Amino acid sequence: GQQVMQIPQYQHVQEGEDFTTYCNSSTTLSNIQWYKQRPGGHPVFLIQLVKSGEVKKQKRLTFQFGEAKKNSSLHITATQTTDVGTYFCADQFSGGYNKLIFGAGTRLAVHP
Amino acid sequence: NAGVMQNPRHLVRRRGQEARLRCSPMKGHSHVYWYRQLPEEGLKFMVYLQKENIIDESGMPKERFSAEFPKEGPSILRIQQVVRGDSAAYFCASSQRGGQEPEQYFGPGTRLTVT
Repeated sequence: GQQVMQIPQYQHVQEGEDFTTYCNSSTTLSNIQWYKQRPGGHPVFLIQLVKSGEVKKQKRLTFQFGEAKKNSSLHITATQTTDVGTYFCADQFSGGYNKLIFGAGTRLAVHP
Repeated sequence: NAGVMQNPRHLVRRRGQEARLRCSPMKGHSHVYWYRQLPEEGLKFMVYLQKENIIDESGMPKERFSAEFPKEGPSILRIQQVVRGDSAAYFCASSQRGGQEPEQYFGPGTRLTVT
């Protein structure tokens, strides 16, 4: 079945360093969504990528969708302690409704 | 405008008991998705419901689990005869339309612990 792999599993950075998480699939991804989950919290929608090669920015966050639509990445520039949490990518089911296939997530720890 | 509500937030059950998890979608939303998150893992889709209909239950275990979304009232995820492996966070998400609109709004989750 549809599988989404996400790496790394954990990332520890010093505040001010950059951070990147990668999402990959052996099959073509439909639409990619990115979510952030704070410790003890619930997933919060960040963005959706639809088009091949798409790049979107939200302040210090840059989201990319690969040309072949088989990978995606989230890059955070100059991390802050407020960036702490787990970042998930999710492929949107292609059957016409918003069922999501989540990656395992990357847990980000930021040391001040 | 209240968000997605789930209750209880924490639920402790002994093995063999029943667990009932409730999800009230955002106002005006008639589509509900349930996901399960095991510790240190991503969310796994369980079931997608519209009012009074189960659309996709491909992620639901065949036994002991059931879901409903009645015409009136919240969506219910029911787990009968719980086992330790059912311990997880259960999230519901709602959307206004049934298409591939981008945002799903997640509730705060119910953390189920089976002792």
